[in-house]
Amino acid sequence: DAMVIQNPRYQVTQFGKPVTLSCSQTLNHNVMYWYQQKSSQAPKLLFHYYDKDFNNEADTPDNFQSRRPNTSFCFLDIRSPGLGDAAMYLCATSRKSGRAGDDEQYFGPGTRLTVT
Amino acid sequence: AQKVTQAQTEISVVEKEDVTLDCVYETRDTTYYLFWYKQPPSGELVFLIRRNSFDEQNEISGRYSWNFQKSTSSFNFTITASQVVDSAVYFCALSENVFWKKLTFGTGTRLTIIP
Repeated sequence: DAMVIQNPRYQVTQFGKPVTLSCSQTLNHNVMYWYQQKSSQAPKLLFHYYDKDFNNEADTPDNFQSRRPNTSFCFLDIRSPGLGDAAMYLCATSRKSGRAGDDEQYFGPGTRLTVT
Repeated sequence: AQKVTQAQTEISVVEKEDVTLDCVYETRDTTYYLFWYKQPPSGELVFLIRRNSFDEQNEISGRYSWNFQKSTSSFNFTITASQVVDSAVYFCALSENVFWKKLTFGTGTRLTIIP
């Protein structure tokens, strides 16, 4: 089945130690998103890619970076994780179509990041 | 600026009861999109419905129904004859941007169905 895959599902990293989360998709969607969801809060968009064009949200900390080497893969890099970065990180995809409102976002299962 | 309010933080109902989850939104755009997502304990956000601002027709899908009222800026979600599998956090979301689908989520409503 076509889907959005996130690995690993659970990641533990040490304070200040760089960590990379990965997302892959078999939907062939051209837009990919990264959201941060802290405990009992709503998901918050960090950034998104339209093809190779990167779009950062204004309030996303510089500590968070992203790479999209090809259509299928997108990575979230946290350069120096702090305790406040512990959260669920959700990847999503959508297809930019010619029809307005045609493309909802499909989410992966998320990676739960713990910072020790 | 856009905003989504889900005033109900937590709801518990006994199985087979009907339950309505409220969603109120704010936007200055005339064209926008509203969504409901379900987040079970596994964490994945599951898409339930999208509604366009120019389509106020209510929708029913099995035990689920949605009531969209532009006059009150509300997009409420009703589950009829609730089941234990309906237990989850439900998020209402708004998108103003047609193509990027930048979603602004409400804070979610945690629904617990008691067997």
